[in-house]
Amino acid sequence: GAGVSQSPSNKVTEKGKDVELRCDPISGHTALYWYRQSLGQGLEFLIYFQGNSAPDKSGLPSDRFSAERTGGSVSTLTIQRTQQEDSAVYLCASSPGVGNGYFGPGTRLTVT
Amino acid sequence: GQQVMQIPQYQHVQEGEDFTTYCNSSTTLSNIQWYKQRPGGHPVFLIQLVKSGEVKKQKRLTFQFGEAKKNSSLHITATQTTDVGTYFCAGNAGKSTFGDGTTLTVKP
Repeated sequence: GAGVSQSPSNKVTEKGKDVELRCDPISGHTALYWYRQSLGQGLEFLIYFQGNSAPDKSGLPSDRFSAERTGGSVSTLTIQRTQQEDSAVYLCASSPGVGNGYFGPGTRLTVT
Repeated sequence: GQQVMQIPQYQHVQEGEDFTTYCNSSTTLSNIQWYKQRPGGHPVFLIQLVKSGEVKKQKRLTFQFGEAKKNSSLHITATQTTDVGTYFCAGNAGKSTFGDGTTLTVKP
């Protein structure tokens, strides 16, 4: 498809388990952002990739969170030892420039 | 670091009334983007403003970028029930920073 895709769409995991969330940006987009959004809340910035530059990780809430972007395309957000407060919708966005532009549908993570 | 403040947080209007949301950045922006998020959906890109003092219109929506490129507004004329949702601005100055959004509800 032409848009940003994310998988899985829903993930339920037990507290303490690790999860991986995937984002496939629009082909050719150099910028990729990860956000999370709790119910009824705004967008919390997590991490920003821009081309081959070192990612801006300033939004990652703890060292349990990490993200990679392989080959300047697909990105994976990994949460280790999940906690209940990690439950949220995780959104990925890509853009040919600096701004976000296009959001994926999100992954709804529920930690039980 | 860069901060983007957005007001009001909530706005309830009667159908047909106008609506405005405002964004203010702590730093000068290279551009600003506006998004709409319907309940249960993900943010959808509406528009990008780049030039100082720029005004753009999309049907009943009017977007403005301030002369100093530190503030912006979105104005909806004669709201309709289809306008409900949360409107976010995102200010870009090397990195994109979102405002907290304004949630609009419209009473028929």
